[in-house]
Amino acid sequence: AQSVTQLDSHVSVSEGTPVLLRCNYSSSYSPSLFWYVQHPNKGLQLLLKYTSAATLVKGINGFEAEFKKSETSFHLTKPSAHMSDAAEYFCVVSDISNFGNEKLTFGTGTRLTIIP
Amino acid sequence: DGGITQSPKYLFRKEGQNVTLSCEQNLNHDAMYWYRQDPGQGLRLIYYSQIVNDFQKGDIAEGYSVSREKKESFPLTVTSAQKNPTAFYLCASSIAGQGNTEAFFGQGTRLTVV
Repeated sequence: AQSVTQLDSHVSVSEGTPVLLRCNYSSSYSPSLFWYVQHPNKGLQLLLKYTSAATLVKGINGFEAEFKKSETSFHLTKPSAHMSDAAEYFCVVSDISNFGNEKLTFGTGTRLTIIP
Repeated sequence: DGGITQSPKYLFRKEGQNVTLSCEQNLNHDAMYWYRQDPGQGLRLIYYSQIVNDFQKGDIAEGYSVSREKKESFPLTVTSAQKNPTAFYLCASSIAGQGNTEAFFGQGTRLTVV
């Protein structure tokens, strides 16, 4: 069975400083991994995805993530935080279930707060 | 513009009533999903459908029902059997069966039991 662990439920950083949101996963197969962002009372928007190509993935709004198979990690980073980055972030693993159906498993989310 | 539309945005239900949440997509996606979101618990899968006229239970299907009569539509009914229905509900769709494609989400419906 696949699972996702987001190691921090809440992260606070000052504007202009680096952002690190941590994610570890487990999967029986070769997974695809995603990061989504959610602003209050909104749906989820894809930031970036890893699908067994390059291990360093660049996404929108200056975010990137590195897939490390040996550490089963997929941490999200950004060099310089902006006030508009304040939101909830979800790490997601996608796998094929025993029935051949695609299944997404979500982490519990990390709330990012930006301090002016 | 292509996308997923959920309606209504806010919904109030009296205890003991069934209520149906709408989800429509024009992305020509085969797969559609319903998730429930509660604070601190992330998203939990209620039901999903990979093809018209077929759907499977997710992790928390009790008290919910769905139908998939058309490719574009995947309505969710919250029945009176659901003991704690107050939550934020999200519908999503994706290209089915590949395991590596992103899901597209609607803007959500916030259901409150009064």
